Amino acid sequence: DIQMTQSPSSLSASVGDRVTITCRASQSISSYLNWYQHKPGKAPQILIYGASYLQSGVPSRFSGSGSGTDFTLTINSLQPEDFATYYCQQSYNTPRTFGQGTKVEIK
Amino acid sequence: QVQLVQSGAEVKKPGASVKVSCKASGYTFTSTWIHWLRQAPGQRLEWMGIINPNDGRPTYAQRFQGRLTVTMDTSTTTVYMELSRLRSEDTAVYYCARDQSHYQGSGTYYDWFDPWGQGTLVTVSS
Repeated sequence: DIQMTQSPSSLSASVGDRVTITCRASQSISSYLNWYQHKPGKAPQILIYGASYLQSGVPSRFSGSGSGTDFTLTINSLQPEDFATYYCQQSYNTPRTFGQGTKVEIK
Repeated sequence: QVQLVQSGAEVKKPGASVKVSCKASGYTFTSTWIHWLRQAPGQRLEWMGIINPNDGRPTYAQRFQGRLTVTMDTSTTTVYMELSRLRSEDTAVYYCARDQSHYQGSGTYYDWFDPWGQGTLVTVSS
């Protein structure tokens, strides 16, 4: 199985900050990388697919980059509704696997 | 709108089985696959299996082979996940999710989970 490792596991940030989360795959996954936002008690929501494609309806302050084994999710100008846990997930092969999550908390 | 609605929370004893339902609406049921995933407390999301609504054929993650059964009822557009021989480590929130895909060109298909059901908490405790 492909192992996905995110860093950091958690971070504290203020409204308006720029936040960067990284995800590393244990082998090359080309651009088959998705990012989700997950809030307590709610279902995860897709943000980015194919490493850099913004899902329809997702604010443009979210962006993704990377290919191969190293990927980044960036949130420009963090908003109050962005405090959540973020997960990367590879869609290169089965079983689909996720990173351990990055919890973005209010500073 | 596309929606997946899951059945309610369950409490089960070790060794028992649990069956969770996932009712799909707002799209053509047979047009896309349905996944099952789970998240145990403090753990990462874990993919369990998938079913093709066109023929009802499931595929399971290796670690759930022999314990997991995914079925569907086309007449009610409902997918079911049954996990048997439950143990305490199976305590988790279980999600169904629709497979969404996009052809990017040059033979590249991207796929992701969207939308997800609201989640069903399964607690395994004696």
